[in-house]
Amino acid sequence: DGGITQSPKYLFRKEGQNVTLSCEQNLNHDAMYWYRQDPGQGLRLIYYSQIVNDFQKGDIAEGYSVSREKKESFPLTVTSAQKNPTAFYLCASSIYSGGRDTEAFFGQGTRLTVV
Amino acid sequence: GNSVTQMEGPVTLSEEAFLTINCTYTATGYPSLFWYVQYPGEGLQLLLKATKADDKGSNKGFEATYRKETTSFHLEKGSVQVSDSAVYFCALLSGTYKYIFGTGTRLKVLA
Repeated sequence: DGGITQSPKYLFRKEGQNVTLSCEQNLNHDAMYWYRQDPGQGLRLIYYSQIVNDFQKGDIAEGYSVSREKKESFPLTVTSAQKNPTAFYLCASSIYSGGRDTEAFFGQGTRLTVV
Repeated sequence: GNSVTQMEGPVTLSEEAFLTINCTYTATGYPSLFWYVQYPGEGLQLLLKATKADDKGSNKGFEATYRKETTSFHLEKGSVQVSDSAVYFCALLSGTYKYIFGTGTRLKVLA
């Protein structure tokens, strides 16, 4: 079955450590996204990538980094510079059809807790 | 810039009640509009979508009509079930790859 796989589902990190969240898709989608979800704040865009080896900052990119070396993979690193990293992180992907009916597909999320 | 505004929750209803969750948007051009649903501890699933004015999206008894004159995309269901309890997100896509999401509305259905 095609889909988006995020791992791990739960992640614990000590303050001052970097941590990398995995996102893999086998939908052959061009675009991939990382969102952060906090209670009562909806989804906020961290980074997005339209094509391999290219990515753009979203609304809250500070303290995060990404890479897009393969079409299928878009890992997110939460660095020690991120002041409040405890949150639910969602990865998504979409295909560019040139049209207006392109929905985003989401993974199951990774809950990161700083201890 | 583009934005989506949803009614604040939580919305609490009895089983078989009528549901409306309001969504309005601000966007340049002609965005595509979406409703997503999120169950506890999971990612978002597409519920329905509409790509042009007067389109009606529908799925699993839920409906929403793209109203350009009122810039709205309200979600409705005639008879809710306990299993519909979840968080519902309205979203738009306008001209780029960037999706804009509302803050979400939590629905709780009581048996």
